[in-house]
Formats: sequence, C-alpha cells, structure tokens
Amino acid sequence: QSALTQPASVSGSPGQSITISCTGTSSDVGSYSLVSWYQQRPGKAPKLMISEVTKRPSGVSDRFSGSKSGNTASLTISGLQAEDEAYYYCSSYAGGDTDVVFGGGTKLTVL
Amino acid sequence: QLQLQESGPGLVKPSETLSLTCTISGGSISSSGHYWGWVRQPPGKGLEWIGNVYYSGSTRYNPSFKSRVSISVDTSKNQFSLNVNSVTAADTAAYFCARRSGSGWYWDNWGQGTLVTVSS
Repeated sequence: QSALTQPASVSGSPGQSITISCTGTSSDVGSYSLVSWYQQRPGKAPKLMISEVTKRPSGVSDRFSGSKSGNTASLTISGLQAEDEAYYYCSSYAGGDTDVVFGGGTKLTVL
Repeated sequence: QLQLQESGPGLVKPSETLSLTCTISGGSISSSGHYWGWVRQPPGKGLEWIGNVYYSGSTRYNPSFKSRVSISVDTSKNQFSLNVNSVTAADTAAYFCARRSGSGWYWDNWGQGTLVTVSS
C-alpha cells in the first residue's frame, strides 16, 4: 500500500485536458509544498515533470501544471498528445522517519 | 550533462547481499545542496524510496527496510553504493540511482535503472 493515493488510471482524447490527483495526509502533502510529479514510460527511468507543487523544470512542456489544495495535489495535462501516454507518479516530503513517499502511480491512456 | 549509471549483479541468491554502485559523470558527487539516493520498483509496481546519502557520508533510510540497507559514498571515484542484506524474492526490482534536490525534495536526475532478480 502506497503512502499517497492516486487513481489507477485516467484517459483522455487528444487535445483534451486531464487531471491526476494525489491524496496524502496532513503529515505530508498537507504540510509541505514539496510535491513532485514524474512521468515514466515503459522500461525507462522516471522523468521529473513538476517540482515543489507548481514548478516546471526547463524543457518540460507548459502543457503540464501542478497544484495543491489541502492534502491533495494535482497534475493537469492540457492539450493531450499521444506522447503523453505513460505512468505518472507523485511524491512528497513526509518529514519524520520516512523522508520521501510516493504514490502508487496512474496510467494515462490517450484514446 | 549529468549522467548516472547503475552497475552490479543482475542475479542475487536469497539471504545474500545485493550490492549496486552508481557512477556519476558530468558532475560532482560533492556538489553542495544535492543528495544521492536509491529508488526501487518491483515488476509492474510503483516506486519506493530506499534511502539517500550526502557527500559527507550522512545518510537517511526508509524505515521499512529495518536496518537491512546501507548506502555509502566514495568521493574519489564519484560513486555511491547500495547494500541490501538478507534479500528475499520481494527484493526483486528495478533499482534506480538518482540525484535529489536538497531543499526541494525532488529527484531531478535518474540513472537508467538495473533489474535485480533474487532467485536461487
């Protein structure tokens, strides 16, 4: 069981927007603006897409955006493209003994 | 351009020790403000943080590994290493080494990953 809860799958058509949620607790997501998002294609390493809730690294499309409300963080992808099809994982600083927690991952299917 | 590369045996016997090394190129393991860590992913499952090390040797581990894990750094070789003791089939996974931002707690550079299978 993962520390952060994500939907197992989401889907959308090209050009549409989708949002992936990441629900934690008041001890992790709710307490820190230290949520990051990763894209992982089959057989590849994860790639950082969003850091510190809303920051987009250089080279990442501005179609990707992040937000947070209470204990839930969200990743929104606008103008869906076929190349966006992948697994997406959220992560948060958790303090205490377990510094880093991940979500279980969400499979994005572009229809 | 920073690159990380994992190396080590792809097959480990149950009860033995899994040992992996991550070699850094295009940057220094001694760069201030960055931590170096390991994340694993069992086949078909999600990501799990194992632990990380600072160039000074300071470490943090995921408590779920119950002292089976150790991470060390060799600044002279620009490498850091992972040891997991008393492995079982549950330790079969792709193991990734990665660089973590100190203050932002995000992983911005990853190795390609290496699959380690625990089997007799």
